[in-house]
Amino acid sequence: QKEVEQDPGPLSVPEGAIVSLNCTYSNSAFQYFMWYRQYSRKGPELLMYTYSSGNKEDGRFTAQVDKSSKYISLFIRDSQPSDSATYLCAMRLQGAQKLVFGQGTRLTINP
Amino acid sequence: DVKVTQSSRYLVKRTGEKVFLECVQDMDHENMFWYRQDPGLGLRLIYFSYDVKMKEKGDIPEGYSVSREKKERFSLILESASTNQTSMYLCASRPGAEGTDTQYFGPGTRLTVL
Repeated sequence: QKEVEQDPGPLSVPEGAIVSLNCTYSNSAFQYFMWYRQYSRKGPELLMYTYSSGNKEDGRFTAQVDKSSKYISLFIRDSQPSDSATYLCAMRLQGAQKLVFGQGTRLTINP
Repeated sequence: DVKVTQSSRYLVKRTGEKVFLECVQDMDHENMFWYRQDPGLGLRLIYFSYDVKMKEKGDIPEGYSVSREKKERFSLILESASTNQTSMYLCASRPGAEGTDTQYFGPGTRLTVL
């Protein structure tokens, strides 16, 4: 079993829809949780970063962490074609350098 | 803006060749990383370095070595390239401060080994 599981999709939704992307993990000691966005032929860029449990909002993006269920989510409101990308969840332990990534979900927003 | 650059976007090599992938960052970051990215497997850590001349193995170090002679430069070396090393290679850097978790990625090098 992988440490971090992420549905690879692909996921295709119409413009304006609310998108929900999810990851589950097995190591309850993870403390830092991230979402990266990767456009085609580019490197990943950090989108959201959360420490421990709770919600974090940034514009149209909301990240949620539920440590009791070992489940994290990224919500995109009013999705735009420019949101079409691969979304990678990542997490790490306190004091560790290493990030553990999910497989990535490929998202397409159709105009 | 932080910039992480990689020496090549696309590279084609033959089995058995020695391959060097170079990464340079311009933000004086202590930590640098090499990942490979494969469909269905996500990003997997090959090696990382937390200081000049310091390195630690990641999850899949076999077949690779690294070199960090200067703070801004981190090289990945494939001593004898094999076809199963065909992949996208991503370099990243990160500041040393705990809690500052942004890893900045380069654009990647797509390596094909024939």
